[in-house]
Amino acid sequence: DTGVSQNPRHKITKRGQNVTFRCDPISEHNRLYWYRQTLGQGPEFLTYFQNEAQLEKSRLLSDRFSAERPKGSFSTLEIQRTEQGDSAMYLCASSNRDRGNTEAFFGQGTRLTVV
Amino acid sequence: GENVEQHPSTLSVQEGDSAVIKCTYSDSASNYFPWYKQELGKRPQLIIDIRSNVGEKKDQRIAVTLNKTAKHFSLHITETQPEDSAVYFCASDDYKLSFGAGTTVTVRA
Repeated sequence: DTGVSQNPRHKITKRGQNVTFRCDPISEHNRLYWYRQTLGQGPEFLTYFQNEAQLEKSRLLSDRFSAERPKGSFSTLEIQRTEQGDSAMYLCASSNRDRGNTEAFFGQGTRLTVV
Repeated sequence: GENVEQHPSTLSVQEGDSAVIKCTYSDSASNYFPWYKQELGKRPQLIIDIRSNVGEKKDQRIAVTLNKTAKHFSLHITETQPEDSAVYFCASDDYKLSFGAGTTVTVRA
């Protein structure tokens, strides 16, 4: 599969636990986004990377959220001390910015349920 | 940051009729405007996009128009079919991709 891959697909965790999600973008893509989506809403921007550099993090994102893309390839999103309000679908998308704005491809997402 | 407004939030049309979704954006630096379709339980997928140097683009039953002066763009689906039922998202890209809240389209047979 040469598309964007996210793992795990589903995660159930107890409130207060830490969780980490992984995103493997399309191999030649240098731009990687993380979004959060709740039922009936559009993807909400969390953060994005250009290669290994994290260029912006949403002001709405608490310091419990952190993301990395250490070698400019895969990325991880960690949520510390999870809260019930963190329950959502977490989507990763990638694109190639070398030729300007181009199509962003989404992964299947990781559905997080905090109980 | 970019703010994208999308209307309507829900749209019900009779099969064969047209559907129109409208979006506005705030950042004049935005120069790329994609539209995504998301079926229940699936990932968003691009259906059409338009760049700022183009006013209109068409692909079979789908068309998108862009008015840069007014900062709005629209999706038009003609001859709607039941398989067009989904949630549609507009987005704008200045230096990052920002999405509207979505429009749930239901095509009645």
